[in-house]
Amino acid sequence: ETGVTQTPRHLVMGMTNKKSLKCEQHLGHNAMYWYKQSAKKPLELMFVYSLEERVENNSVPSRFSPECPNSSHLFLHLHTLQPEDSALYLCASSQVFEETQYFGPGTRLLVL
Amino acid sequence: GQSLEQPSEVTAVEGAIVQINCTYQTSGFYGLSWYQQHDGGAPTFLSYNALDGLEETGRFSSFLSRSDSYGYLLLQELQMKDSASYFCAVRTLYNNNDMRFGAGTRLTVKP
Repeated sequence: ETGVTQTPRHLVMGMTNKKSLKCEQHLGHNAMYWYKQSAKKPLELMFVYSLEERVENNSVPSRFSPECPNSSHLFLHLHTLQPEDSALYLCASSQVFEETQYFGPGTRLLVL
Repeated sequence: GQSLEQPSEVTAVEGAIVQINCTYQTSGFYGLSWYQQHDGGAPTFLSYNALDGLEETGRFSSFLSRSDSYGYLLLQELQMKDSASYFCAVRTLYNNNDMRFGAGTRLTVKP
C-alpha cells in the first residue's frame, strides 16, 4: 500500500482518441509528479506540481496536458497520441524538498 | 546537462553481496537516492545520501562520494526477492523537486 493510486491501470487507445489518466495521493503531500517509463530507458520526468503550481517541462509534447485541481489529485490528459507514447505512466508524490517520492502503480498505456 | 550511468544488468547468487554503482554528472547536486522496482510494480524508495559516506539500512547500504560524483548501493545476504531493477536518482539544487533517474540496473538473484 503506497498511498498513491492511479486509474486506469491499463489503457488501450487509438491515435485519435482523447483520454485522461488520474492519480490520487492520500499522504498529505504537496508535490506531485508525472513520469514516463519506457523499456530500458530512464524514468523521464514529465511534469511537476509543487504547492499546486506547475513547473514547466518544455520537452514534453503538447499532446500531453497535466491538470492539478488540488494537492491530492493529478490528471494527465491525452489527445492525438503516437504509438511511441506507449509506455508505463507513473505518478508520484512527496513533500516539497523532501527526498522520498512515493509512486503509484502506474498506468500501462498502449497507443494503436 | 545531466546524466547518470549505472550497469544495465547484474547477476548474483543467494547469500552473496552485490554492489551497484552509479556515476552522475549534473549542473547542481543535492543528493543521491536509490529506488527498487519489481516487475509490474511501482518504484519504492530505498535510501538517500546527501553527505559523503555510508548509510546503512538493514541488508542495504548506500555510499556517496561527492568529489568523485559516484555512489553505490550495496546489497548483502541476497535473497531471491531482491531480484528487481534498481535506480539511482539525483536531485539538483537548481530545479526544485526535479529528480533525474538512471536507466536502472536489473539484478537477478540465482539459487
